[in-house]
Amino acid sequence: AQRVTQPEKLLSVFKGAPVELKCNYSYSGSPELFWYVQYSRQRLQLLLRHISRESIKGFTADLNKGETSFHLKKPFAQEEDSAMYYCALIRGGTSYGKLTFGQGTILTVHP
Amino acid sequence: KAGVTQTPRYLIKTRGQQVTLSCSPISGHRSVSWYQQTPGQGLQFLFEYFSETQRNKGNFPGRFSGRQFSNSRSEMNVSTLELGDSALYLCASSTGQVFTEAFFGQGTRLTVV
Repeated sequence: AQRVTQPEKLLSVFKGAPVELKCNYSYSGSPELFWYVQYSRQRLQLLLRHISRESIKGFTADLNKGETSFHLKKPFAQEEDSAMYYCALIRGGTSYGKLTFGQGTILTVHP
Repeated sequence: KAGVTQTPRYLIKTRGQQVTLSCSPISGHRSVSWYQQTPGQGLQFLFEYFSETQRNKGNFPGRFSGRQFSNSRSEMNVSTLELGDSALYLCASSTGQVFTEAFFGQGTRLTVV
């Protein structure tokens, strides 16, 4: 079965500092990886997906199949980045809407 | 475009009772998935429906069931409630055929006393 691990439950940085939220996965096939974010009192929303190769709100994430990782990075953190971040995986084939989530990382950006 | 709507937002039930939660997906979306969110277990997949058929199911007991109607609205039911069923239940909709993105509702907070 697939598994997603986010080793840090809490992460604190200061405004302007680089930030990296770690995500490792275990799945023998070709997964599709996502980062979801939940801001305070807002619903869970997609931040980015690996196949898009986009930079959203300054965040990027690269899928490293060799290390089975999909770390989320931002060179200069902003206070508005404070939120809960979830890494999620969907298997190829017939998984349809079945997302497997990591436990989440609470990011706090201090002024 | 209206987002995913879940009702009710909050529920308090007694052990042994049953409960029904409702989810209205984004207009045009045909897939609805349900997740249970708890502090200890995080977000766990319950089941997914597409065109009134269950396509995928998570590892939950049979007390958890769901259905989808012809207008894509979905309900999930939990029978014989246990204290451990207290959680935030999230519904997500997507277009359907090929998974691109899940759009989440704000959830229903269920408390079992």
